[in-house]
Amino acid sequence: KAGVTQTPRYLIKTRGQQVTLSCSPISGHRSVSWYQQTPGQGLQFLFEYFSETQRNKGNFPGRFSGRQFSNSRSEMNVSTLELGDSALYLCASSWGASGRLNNEQFFGPGTRLTVL
Amino acid sequence: AQSVTQLGSHVSVSEGALVLLRCNYSSSVPPYLFWYVQYPNQGLQLLLKYTTGATLVKGINGFEAEFKKSETSFHLTKPSAHMSDAAEYFCAVIDDNNAGNMLTFGGGTRLMVKP
Repeated sequence: KAGVTQTPRYLIKTRGQQVTLSCSPISGHRSVSWYQQTPGQGLQFLFEYFSETQRNKGNFPGRFSGRQFSNSRSEMNVSTLELGDSALYLCASSWGASGRLNNEQFFGPGTRLTVL
Repeated sequence: AQSVTQLGSHVSVSEGALVLLRCNYSSSVPPYLFWYVQYPNQGLQLLLKYTTGATLVKGINGFEAEFKKSETSFHLTKPSAHMSDAAEYFCAVIDDNNAGNMLTFGGGTRLMVKP
């Protein structure tokens, strides 16, 4: 079974631009979560989608948005990029709706975004 | 909201020595706890998890962790370090107010293994 796929793996943008990152979950998985990883702030939750519905949202400005399609693939968009948005963006997928059950999350390799 | 604290952002051990990575959590209800490992330029891989039941949890690659409610801890151990264990390790919890999959992570501990 293929793992979680994230595209692109590396991206360089300039301030003010916008970017779209893509995540393809493991086949059959309906939950997709996004995390931002930076040296200063560590791993921070962005949002979670389940069956095309946003279930949770982290404490990020409205410039960060996401969506999930009917095939469970997810995209996240960052508009008006700032230098501080440079980070590794990780996507995780799982089959079920709740991490409090026996429901492992599988992470993709991430997209490394550099904002110049 | 819950929080997770990992004591020691960097830990260095010799090959063959005991590995001990510390994790403390804040929670008023029984938490769901996880340890993940991240190798350079890769995503996170689940090492082990505690949900309910036995408090000593065995994971992959010879790692184990013990849930101690009285100490609000979930420390990760491995009896004998191997060079391939060099990586960053993250402790995480599922928020007790959240019915979804949202993980709250600790700051991470980078494990270095000396030959």
